[in-house]
Amino acid sequence: EVQLVESGGGLVQPGGSQRLSCAASGFTFSDYYMDWVRQAPGKGLEWIGRIRDKPNSYTTEYAASVKGRFTISRDDSKNSLYLQMNSLKTEDTAVYYCARGGYSYGFGLGDYWGQGTLVTVSS
Amino acid sequence: QSALTQPASVSGSPGQSITISCTGTSSDIGTYDYVSWYQQHPGKAPKLMIYDVTNRPSGVSNRFSGSKSGNTASLTISGLQAEDEADYYCNSYTSSSTLYVFGTGTKVTVL
Repeated sequence: EVQLVESGGGLVQPGGSQRLSCAASGFTFSDYYMDWVRQAPGKGLEWIGRIRDKPNSYTTEYAASVKGRFTISRDDSKNSLYLQMNSLKTEDTAVYYCARGGYSYGFGLGDYWGQGTLVTVSS
Repeated sequence: QSALTQPASVSGSPGQSITISCTGTSSDIGTYDYVSWYQQHPGKAPKLMIYDVTNRPSGVSNRFSGSKSGNTASLTISGLQAEDEADYYCNSYTSSSTLYVFGTGTKVTVL
């Protein structure tokens, strides 16, 4: 059974940093691209970034709203995905989901999702 | 990159069919057949219902179907059931600097 479990959420002050983790199981993690998607309270979904697999040089892509502040990484030996968030703003407050991607010739997004972790940016 | 446009709400009676539209541009839906639809119940993670415009993942009811015409994609739910009451989001791959764009979301109510 595919499982994705996020952790690391919590309360952080504006300008601060937070690192989220996503533990994967039930599939060959190294074979898949992985994405982060967030959802502000009461709002819609927003794709924020992707990391590809080793054959694609672990390249990353980011939404304009987080580019230069957020960094996605992965450790295939630990079946884990990470999201390093710096210079956090109040508008970054959201539930952050990790999602499996890359199916459908690399263009697929989110065939499995984690349960999400809440990050609250507030003073 | 603006969000794809969906109606805020759609409702129907049990057994009826409803259709949710998702309007984009020639930079996303109009060019790419990488449109997906997600169902989200309150407090839960999204669930993939349709991918590549028309394909259903294993385990998703065949009451759910997808289509596309020009810059607009659609999700049809036939034989509406109480458990279908949820928020639905479309998503498309895009040629803009942001790889993917989501729709604004549609709340489906079963009367």
